[in-house]
Amino acid sequence: EVQLVESGGGLVQPGGSLRLSCAASGFTFSTSGMTWVRQAPGKGLEWVSAISGSSGNTYYADSVKGRFTISRDSSKNTLYLQMSSLRAEDTAVYFCAKRSTSGYYYFDFWGQGTLVTVSS
Amino acid sequence: EIVLTQSPGTLSLSPGERATLSCRASQSVSSSNLAWYQQKPGQAPRLLIYGASSRATGIPDRFSGSGSGTDFTLTISRLEPEDFAVYYCQQYGNSPWAFGQGTKVEIK
Repeated sequence: EVQLVESGGGLVQPGGSLRLSCAASGFTFSTSGMTWVRQAPGKGLEWVSAISGSSGNTYYADSVKGRFTISRDSSKNTLYLQMSSLRAEDTAVYFCAKRSTSGYYYFDFWGQGTLVTVSS
Repeated sequence: EIVLTQSPGTLSLSPGERATLSCRASQSVSSSNLAWYQQKPGQAPRLLIYGASSRATGIPDRFSGSGSGTDFTLTISRLEPEDFAVYYCQQYGNSPWAFGQGTKVEIK
């Protein structure tokens, strides 16, 4: 059974940093593309970042480029999102999700999310 | 960058009725690389449809997707109580992999 469990969310001041983690199990993590999607309170889904499987190519939304870094540790089956220079508009629930086995960037399994609140 | 616009914003229907949700892209979505997701309050999104018309594993056949190019449709043939939720389309033909703003299907 595929499981994705996010952690690391919390309250952080504007300009601060936070690292989110997503522990994966039930599939071959090392060759699976992964992504982060966020949802501001009461709003829709916003794609944030993705990382490919074996090659490790990374992709970012313009809204986070240069501030967020996606990475993975296949020895720990864990996906990360390092967030810096955080702004109030980064406040959201952050979901990690697994890319489909077809290789296309639609997402067939999702975690339950972790809440990040950026506020002074 | 492809922008997806969903309509209507809210659909008020009764159980047993047919729901038709629209997703329009600002430019052609390559190879019908469009997916649909369902999200209920407090839950993660769930994949319903990929490739514009292929149902994901375990999705009931009352859900169907159609369309190509810039116009796509999600149809729920007969609404069940558990189908009242928010639905999002997502294009995955080109990065950034954008979502539409969502359509809420609510009980009338």
